[in-house]
Amino acid sequence: GENVEQHPSTLSVQEGDSAVIKCTYSDSASNYFPWYKQELGKRPQLIIDIRSNVGEKKDQRIAVTLNKTAKHFSLHITETQPEDSAVYFCAVERAGGRQLTFGSGTQLTVLP
Amino acid sequence: DAGITQSPRYKITETGRQVTLMCHQTWSHSYMFWYRQDLGHGLRLIYYSAAADITDKGEVPDGYVVSRSKTENFPLTLESATRSQTSVYFCASRERGNTEAFFGQGTRLTVV
Repeated sequence: GENVEQHPSTLSVQEGDSAVIKCTYSDSASNYFPWYKQELGKRPQLIIDIRSNVGEKKDQRIAVTLNKTAKHFSLHITETQPEDSAVYFCAVERAGGRQLTFGSGTQLTVLP
Repeated sequence: DAGITQSPRYKITETGRQVTLMCHQTWSHSYMFWYRQDLGHGLRLIYYSAAADITDKGEVPDGYVVSRSKTENFPLTLESATRSQTSVYFCASRERGNTEAFFGQGTRLTVV
């Protein structure tokens, strides 16, 4: 089955700095790569996703980059704010797939 | 209200007891999922369903039973609860593959 590794497990940054979280996957047939944000005590919610036919996608301060050859993708958050503090999960799914496989999560803390 | 809801939100049960966690969605999504969330493990898939009366095992199905007699409901039963099943359980739904998954609020289950 699919294996997804996420790094780092914890990340602390100063407010205004950038944060980068990276995931690697094993199944070359994977073609859908979403990122979910989970605030403390809340449910995970989708923040951005990318499909394998594009290399980068941006949404305001958030961007995701995909390297299909190397089988890794990354979440980039610029100008971090305290409300960005949360656990972030990457996920992977193959074409026509029925289930997402999640990474183990990254606890991001933005220090004021 | 439209959405996906879980009940109960919190449950304490004794070892060996049977307990059922409920999940209800109002979107008529085809796919429904049960995940458990444990520190350091991210979100692990227990079972999923592609439609009414169609269910399949995920990564960690042992000790759990599911059913889906109606599209909108996907209950998860622990037939004989064990302490290792203490966890936060999330139900999710989506329309089809490679699309956003929507999560319920979660059920915090403690087995004593």
